[in-house]
Amino acid sequence: DIQMTQSPSSLSASVGDRVTITCRTSQTISNSLNWYQQKPGKAPKLLIYASSTLQTGVPSRFSGSASGTDFALTINSLQPEDFATYYCQQSYSTPFTFGPGTKVDIK
Amino acid sequence: QAQLVESGGGVVQPGRSLRLSCDASGFTFSNYAMHWVRQAPGKGLEWVTVILYDGSNKYYADSVRGRFTISRDDSKNTLYLQMNSLRIEDAAVYFCARDSQDCSSTNCYLSGSMDVWGRGTMVTVSS
Repeated sequence: DIQMTQSPSSLSASVGDRVTITCRTSQTISNSLNWYQQKPGKAPKLLIYASSTLQTGVPSRFSGSASGTDFALTINSLQPEDFATYYCQQSYSTPFTFGPGTKVDIK
Repeated sequence: QAQLVESGGGVVQPGRSLRLSCDASGFTFSNYAMHWVRQAPGKGLEWVTVILYDGSNKYYADSVRGRFTISRDDSKNTLYLQMNSLRIEDAAVYFCARDSQDCSSTNCYLSGSMDVWGRGTMVTVSS
C-alpha cells in the first residue's frame, strides 16, 4: 500500500496569510494526488485533483503543485471560510489512501 | 444537482451485521464508479471500497476485505455496503462518494478522486 504523510499536522494562520501544506507519498504516483477540505460535521469537498487541477467552483486562491513524491497545496490570501482540515489522497492504486490531515485554524 | 444520501447506520453489537444504503439523484448513476469512505470519531478519512460503474470490479481496503461487500442497483440508483462481522474499530461515519470520472464516453477509467459526497451515516459498534 502507498503510505501518505502530511506536514504540518496543524497550523495557525491569520486571514490574508499564504499557507502551504505538503504531502509526501511512499512511492511515485505520477500526478495522481487529490486534495480535500473538510469542515467539522461536514463531508469532505474536492478542491484539487490530478495534483494541480482546480475542481470546478473552487476559488483560484487554492493551487496545487508536485515534485516527485512531494506534493503541495497552497492557499493564497487565507479567507475566514478556509479554516478547516485538509487531506491529501492518492488515486494511483487501490487502496486509495488518505493523508492524516492538516488542521488550519485561526491564529 | 448531484446528490447522495446515506442511510442505514445505527448501533450494532460486535460480530453482527449492518447494511448501508446510498441513494443517488441528479446525475446518471450508472455512469459512475462509487466509493465508500469512513471516518472514525475525531480521526481522519479512510477509504473503504469502490465499485466500478458497471459493477465489473470491486476493490477493498485490507481492513474490511472479506467482511464488507459493496454492491449497486442501477435500477434504483442505490449503492450498498453490506458489513458483516463488525468490530469495535469499524465504528465511524460512513460516506458514499462519486468517482469523478464520467464513464458515459469510451474513455473510461477509475479516477479515484471523489467529487460528490453524501453527508454520511453513523455506525456505532458497541456491546
